[in-house]
Amino acid sequence: AQSVTQLDSQVPVFEEAPVELRCNYSSSVSVYLFWYVQYPNQGLQLLLKYLSGSTLVKGINGFEAEFNKSQTSFHLRKPSVHISDTAEYFCAVSESRRSNDYKLSFGAGTTVTVRA
Amino acid sequence: DADVTQTPRNRITKTGKRIMLECSQTKGHDRMYWYRQDPGLGLRLIYYSFDVKDINKGEISDGYSVSRQAQAKFSLSLESAIPNQTALYFCATSDRTDTQYFGPGTRLTVL
Repeated sequence: AQSVTQLDSQVPVFEEAPVELRCNYSSSVSVYLFWYVQYPNQGLQLLLKYLSGSTLVKGINGFEAEFNKSQTSFHLRKPSVHISDTAEYFCAVSESRRSNDYKLSFGAGTTVTVRA
Repeated sequence: DADVTQTPRNRITKTGKRIMLECSQTKGHDRMYWYRQDPGLGLRLIYYSFDVKDINKGEISDGYSVSRQAQAKFSLSLESAIPNQTALYFCATSDRTDTQYFGPGTRLTVL
């Protein structure tokens, strides 16, 4: 069975410091990988995605993630955070995209709190 | 205008009542989804639809039903609401890469 594990539920960080959010998944087949961000009282929006090709993926707002197939990981990083990056971040993995066997799983989320 | 809209945005109801949450999209996507979000559990898929004639159960469909009235409309019903259905509900659409485009959410409280 597919599962997504976000290793940290809460990440406090100071403004202008780097941040890394960890995501591991379990799957034996080819996957698509996503990071979404949810700002307070809003829906989720896409930060970045990996479908194929280069394992280093750049997204919006200075975020990037690296797909590591051998370690089944897709960690999200930002070299310098801002107060406005305070939000909840979700990793998601799509394993099967057939109508009768659809599998898209979300991690439990990581809350990032940026302090001045 | 938002690409994915949900109505209502907030709803408080009582146990046993029938509730319908509505979703509309202007993205032109065939695929639509309903999720619920609970603290510490992430998002869980309730139902999904890959086109107007295709409806499938997700991970947690018990107690819910859906209707795909048109390509742009996908509604979620709780036939007899219970307190553990109190949650934040999201509608989403996707393109064929599975990239999800979410609505703003409906906060449902069942007393």
